[in-house]
Amino acid sequence: GDSVTQMEGPVTLSEEAFLTINCTYTATGYPSLFWYVQYPGEGLQLLLKATKADDKGSNKGFEATYRKETTSFHLEKGSVQVSDSAVYFCALSEVQGAQKLVFGQGTRLTINP
Amino acid sequence: DAGVTQSPTHLIKTRGQQVTLRCSPKSGHDTVSWYQQALGQGPQFIFQYYEEEERQRGNFPDRFSGHQFPNYSSELNVNALWLGDSALYLCASSSLSGGLEAFFGQGTRLTVV
Repeated sequence: GDSVTQMEGPVTLSEEAFLTINCTYTATGYPSLFWYVQYPGEGLQLLLKATKADDKGSNKGFEATYRKETTSFHLEKGSVQVSDSAVYFCALSEVQGAQKLVFGQGTRLTINP
Repeated sequence: DAGVTQSPTHLIKTRGQQVTLRCSPKSGHDTVSWYQQALGQGPQFIFQYYEEEERQRGNFPDRFSGHQFPNYSSELNVNALWLGDSALYLCASSSLSGGLEAFFGQGTRLTVV
């Protein structure tokens, strides 16, 4: 079945550091790919998405590019802030419109001032 | 717009008991999905409701059942609770006509003792 594998955490960085969180996936078709963020005590929020190969999703300084050849969707940010501290989930949806999400295990990110 | 609302926020039950969790979708959304998020893990898809019927189901036993009402709100019922059912239960709403984005509630934290 479909699956998502994320870089294991936790990840701790200093403010203004460069961030990469790796995500790879296994799917039989051509999934849509997502990054969700979960702040403490809150539900999941969609951070960015990409629906086809070579698409780049971006939001709030975060970027991720859909790489079909490497089945990857790595999350990057050039300069992180303390407010970026959260748990980040990579996810896929196999069928457009069905919106059943398959999540990775999550990566906890802590940014120190 | 109140977004997706879930109740209760926290719940403690005893092994063997039954529990009902509730979800009101975001205004304009007609599809509700339920996820179970164990501590330190990514959310796992339980099932999805559309037009008051279960459209898809994940790998969960029949002890997990649900319902969707004409106003699109939904309930998740779990019978014969196990200790392993302790988790954060997330409701997500979406619209088949509204693209891929699923909006999540803050979740119900269920503890089984």
